[in-house]
Amino acid sequence: DVKVTQSSRYLVKRTGEKVFLECVQDMDHENMFWYRQDPGLGLRLIYFSYDVKMKEKGDIPEGYSVSREKKERFSLILESASTNQTSMYLCASMPGGGNQPQHFGDGTRLSIL
Amino acid sequence: AQTVTQSQPEMSVQEAETVTLSCTYDTSESDYYLFWYKQPPSRQMILVIRQEAYKQQNATENRFSVNFQKAAKSFSLKISDSQLGDAAMYFCAYRGYSSNTGKLIFGQGTTLQVKP
Repeated sequence: DVKVTQSSRYLVKRTGEKVFLECVQDMDHENMFWYRQDPGLGLRLIYFSYDVKMKEKGDIPEGYSVSREKKERFSLILESASTNQTSMYLCASMPGGGNQPQHFGDGTRLSIL
Repeated sequence: AQTVTQSQPEMSVQEAETVTLSCTYDTSESDYYLFWYKQPPSRQMILVIRQEAYKQQNATENRFSVNFQKAAKSFSLKISDSQLGDAAMYFCAYRGYSSNTGKLIFGQGTTLQVKP
């Protein structure tokens, strides 16, 4: 089974801090994704990566950046955390495209105080 | 731009009965993929069922089936013989056929309650 591991289930940070969310997958997938999940809004794509060192903006990239130095690891960075970034963050990975499903991690509940 | 709409924020069903969750989407593409994902309270999102738009036959996975109406741009999920373990949030998602990066567009989600 594909395993996507997010480094923290719960995280509390202060406004203005630089925050790192880590995601690791064990199936050599080319594509990796970061979403945020908010009630009534579903999942919204922040950034995705289709190869090492390659990244593309999703629908809501403002205030975020990403890093993919190794194929199995995709990091989401909040450059200067703000309270409106309090949310659930989900990481996913998948091979290629087509009808392949995305495989998700357990999520990180991030609170910015 | 493509959009996915789930108009039912919450649904409930009695154990052993059947429930249908609605999903509509908007796209100008003729070929695409549609997915239903389940997110139980433990939070890990898992695939329930998928449908290729070029296939006329509705997908089925055990107690889960879809009603895919391409002309109406509708993709509903039917859960038969509902079980307590079906209680979760369900998301409908769309992917364009030309998307080789696998990008998905999600609906807002429907929370399903199963009553014993």
